Amino acid sequence: DIQMTQSPSSLSASVGDRVTITCRASQTVSNYLNWYQQQPGKAPKLLIFAASTLQSGVPSRFSGRGSGTRFTLAISSLQPEDVATYYCQQSYSDRRTFGQGTKVDIK
Amino acid sequence: EVQLVESGGTLVQPGGSLRLSCVASGFSFRNFWMNWVRQAPGKGLEWVGKINEAGGDKYYVESVEGRFTISRDNAKNSLYLQMNSLTAEDTAVYYCARAANLPTVPMDFWGQGTLVSVSS
Repeated sequence: DIQMTQSPSSLSASVGDRVTITCRASQTVSNYLNWYQQQPGKAPKLLIFAASTLQSGVPSRFSGRGSGTRFTLAISSLQPEDVATYYCQQSYSDRRTFGQGTKVDIK
Repeated sequence: EVQLVESGGTLVQPGGSLRLSCVASGFSFRNFWMNWVRQAPGKGLEWVGKINEAGGDKYYVESVEGRFTISRDNAKNSLYLQMNSLTAEDTAVYYCARAANLPTVPMDFWGQGTLVSVSS
C-alpha cells in the first residue's frame, strides 16, 4: 500500500499567520491527492482535490500544490474556524490511504 | 441536499459480528462508488473499503480483508458493511462517504458516523 506521511503532526499559530502542511507519498501518486479538514467532533470535509483544485464553497485562503510524491496545503491567513485536523489522502491506488493528520490550533 | 445517514453501531463482544447501514438521499446513489472510512478514538482516519456502482467491484484495506464485506442495495439507496470476527482494534466511528465524480475521485460527502465498540 502507498504510505502517506504528513508533517508536522501538530502546529500552533496566530490568527492571520500563514500555515503550511506537507504530505509525502511513499511512491508517486501523480496528482491523485486530496485534502480534508476535520473540525472537532465533526465528520471530515473535502477541501481540495487533484492536489490543487478547491472544492466548491471552500474559502480561497486554502490552497494546495504539488505532484508526484510531495504536496503542500497552505492556509494564507489562519482564522479561528480553521482549528481542525487536516488529512491528505491518495486516490492513485485502488486501496486508498490517508496521512496520519496534522492538528492545527490557535496560539 | 446530499445526505448520508449511518446506523447500526453498538457495543459488541470480541469475535462477534455486526452490520452497519448507510442510507443515502439527495443524489442518484446508483451512479456513485461508495466508501467506508473509520476513526478509532483519538486517532486518524483509516480507509476501510469501497464498492462500485453496481456492487460487483470491491476493495478493502488489508486489516479487514476476509472479515468485512461491503455491499449495497441501489433500490433502497443503501450501503452496508458486514463486520465479522471483530476485535478491539475495530473499535471506531465508521463513516460512509461518497466518491465524487470528479478528477481524482475524492470523498465529497460524508455521513455523521456510527460508533462501534468491541469489548467484553
